[in-house]
Amino acid sequence: DAKTTQPPSMDCAEGRAANLPCNHSTISGNEYVYWYRQIHSQGPQYIIHGLKNNETNEMASLIITEDRKSSTLILPHATLRDTAVYYCISASSGGGADGLTFGKGTHLIIQP
Amino acid sequence: KAGVTQTPRYLIKTRGQQVTLSCSPISGHRSVSWYQQTPGQGLQFLFEYFSETQRNKGNFPGRFSGRQFSNSRSEMNVSTLELGDSALYLCASSLDRGASETQYFGPGTRLLVL
Repeated sequence: DAKTTQPPSMDCAEGRAANLPCNHSTISGNEYVYWYRQIHSQGPQYIIHGLKNNETNEMASLIITEDRKSSTLILPHATLRDTAVYYCISASSGGGADGLTFGKGTHLIIQP
Repeated sequence: KAGVTQTPRYLIKTRGQQVTLSCSPISGHRSVSWYQQTPGQGLQFLFEYFSETQRNKGNFPGRFSGRQFSNSRSEMNVSTLELGDSALYLCASSLDRGASETQYFGPGTRLLVL
């Protein structure tokens, strides 16, 4: 699986859009980009994933650059409950078989 | 649909003992993976089970083992517990195997080894 790089921490004002970047410059063609978040002491929560097209669901949007070397997770209207550690993960065709490789993630703090 | 459930939620053991943790996947999910999370090492993959067979294993000693039953429920066992085994143990299930299959995590079992 490709290694991903994320900033260790970010702040965002409540009500504003939170844009979380992720670099995955060595990603291969069959690797998906997954985003999870973990609120303290809870299990990671799935947010969204994509291969090459931008994706949107009820929680967030995922923007993947055309060369697939980076992506951005967008939380459109951040609330205090969005404070969590956000993990960007690339998963190869083995997917769950090889296990997800979690880095240190980005600690997103939503400020009131 | 109910999510992934793990039991027990909290556990205290002493060094040298063994422990068994249980995971019930989301109904219909056939793949179950286990992860260990510690402050120092972060989230690390332990192993994955599919159709009652271990399909892949992370870099953990043989003291860590698991199994999966015909109803896809899974257990993991840690023998001869060490202080360093204190961690949050997470179970994740997915419908099938493969990169497009999203893994959904349970709340975890927090194990404290004294």
